[in-house]
Order: sequence, then structure tokens, then C-alpha cells
Amino acid sequence: GQSLEQPSEVTAVEGAIVQINCTYQTSGFYGLSWYQQHDGGAPTFLSYNALDGLEETGRFSSFLSRSDSYGYLLLQELQMKDSASYFCAVRMDSSYKLIFGSGTRLLVRP
Amino acid sequence: DAGVTQSPTHLIKTRGQQVTLRCSPKSGHDTVSWYQQALGQGPQFIFQYYEEEERQRGNFPDRFSGHQFPNYSSELNVNALLLGDSALYLCASCIRDNSYEQYFGPGTRLTVT
Repeated sequence: GQSLEQPSEVTAVEGAIVQINCTYQTSGFYGLSWYQQHDGGAPTFLSYNALDGLEETGRFSSFLSRSDSYGYLLLQELQMKDSASYFCAVRMDSSYKLIFGSGTRLLVRP
Repeated sequence: DAGVTQSPTHLIKTRGQQVTLRCSPKSGHDTVSWYQQALGQGPQFIFQYYEEEERQRGNFPDRFSGHQFPNYSSELNVNALLLGDSALYLCASCIRDNSYEQYFGPGTRLTVT
């Protein structure tokens, strides 16, 4: 079967750095995406990694290690508005669907 | 530039009834996917439409069906509603093979009583 594991909750202080990990077990792998979802809102695309390494987009960075079936999302200079749920999602080979993890709820404290 | 739109926003139905949800994709997008999201869970893939055909389907029963129109908009139909179908139904659009980057609509909150 397919499975993605993320921590259920993470708490951090405003201005700090936080890392949200994602490990996956899927039959075939094409790439790893990250989405942000505020309460009552729609998921919004943050980043995508198809190759090993770090992708940086402003305060957010995403990392992938295909050999370890592992990725993470790094959020720097945390702001209160970053309080949301973060989902990793896998696209498998020869597939068009995204398989989402259960999400990590990030709480940013002042 | 209009994003993904969905209607209705909220819906209350009774067990056994049928429901139709609607979605208009982001301008320039030709592919529409539907997801079901239970409270506190990640979105679960229902199916994807491209060129008016169902291109891929997730682990959902045949009670869930869909359609894509020539203007790329889409409908999700659910027959014989069960209490367990209560969830947020999300529509997402993308450009053909870029399914890793999907744009989601605000969703339809379906409550089955």
C-alpha cells in the first residue's frame, strides 16, 4: 500500500525556524509536493521536489532524499500567519493522482 | 485571473439522496481532480478528468461519478448518500501533466443526516 507519515503537530515561536518531516512508502515515486491549508481554507501549493536536494522559495525551503524516501519542509522567520496545516503529497510513477499525508498542524506562538 | 470556483459552499442532504457538486477550473487549466477531505485528514483522491474523460480513479465506490464539460468545468455526483460521505469536497485544477502543482477551490462542505 501507499503511506506517508508526518508529525501530527508542531509548535514554534515567532521568528524561529521549524522543520516538518515526511517519510513515504509508495510503489513508484515521481515527486514530493507540499501544501499549506489554513483552517476553513483551501490547500495552496508551496513547493515541489522531483530530484534530490533543496528547493528554496522565499522563507520556505523543501528537501528531498529519494534514497531515504524522505523529505522535509523548512519554514524560516516564522510569522503568526504561518499557523496552518501542512501536507506532503506524493505523485507516483505513471500516475496523475496525488497521495496526501494526514498533515502537520503548525502552531506559531508569539 | 479567476481561481478555482466551486458551488455550492455548503450542502445538507439526507441519507439515500443524491448530490451534484460543481467546479470551474482556474483559467488556462484543462485538468480537474476531485478530493474528499475528512476533518483532520489529508485530501483523498476521488478521480481526475482530462479531455472530458476520467483519466484516473481512487478507491471510491461507483456511487461517486463525475463529468467534465468542453469548457473544462466539472461535476461530481454522489448517489445513495451515506452518513460517512459527510466531508469537505475539494476540486483542484492543473495543466495536463503538472499534477504535482494543483490549485484548489474553497470546497463544498457536505453534511449527510
